[in-house]
Amino acid sequence: DTEVTQTPKHLVMGMTNKKSLKCEQHMGHRAMYWYKQKAKKPPELMFVYSYEKLSINESVPSRFSPECPNSSLLNLHLHALQPEDSALYLCASSQEGRGPETQYFGPGTRLLVL
Amino acid sequence: EDQVTQSPEALRLQEGESSSLNCSYTVSGLRGLFWYRQDPGKGPEFLFTLYSAGEEKEKERLKATLTKKESFLHITAPKPEDSATYLCAVQAGGVTGGGNKLTFGTGTQLKVEL
Repeated sequence: DTEVTQTPKHLVMGMTNKKSLKCEQHMGHRAMYWYKQKAKKPPELMFVYSYEKLSINESVPSRFSPECPNSSLLNLHLHALQPEDSALYLCASSQEGRGPETQYFGPGTRLLVL
Repeated sequence: EDQVTQSPEALRLQEGESSSLNCSYTVSGLRGLFWYRQDPGKGPEFLFTLYSAGEEKEKERLKATLTKKESFLHITAPKPEDSATYLCAVQAGGVTGGGNKLTFGTGTQLKVEL
């Protein structure tokens, strides 16, 4: 099973709201990722967690706050977003190891900031 | 800096008309090259991982090949359901490392018509 699940599927929020995106995997993967994807562009890496520790932060604004409560779960907390943050937010996971690490993506959360 | 260039940007084929998509890359030590398929509004679906030059992998009507500078995704006798955006990504390794980062190309948007 190579399934990554994400909730919610769609989210509409105002600029003063606080919301969270959730991601879950049960493949025993120890690396989890958040990506942002705008229309007709490739996914853009935001954060990487490796063994539940934040290992990469791609200079993402502080209004995005990631959290990894355990090895299966990944959250992205959103606060005071801007309309330009509207995008498809993708979660992915992969095994940690020496060789190539295939990342498996979830279906995404479509976020609209009004 | 790692770079991935995909061509063509868009491709329109008739059903049954075979063709190839190109992914050219420059990377400091290739750890892996990945092909994904992405339907509109959905997360990328993993297709293939290639590790070393000369490697080939097949899945149904798709065949991926790898050289030291590029990869091809060959589509044999495509059907309308093959219409999607195909993304290529590389993962670097080597002395400087690359962590778990993927560098994506901008994708090839494929449309297969009856």
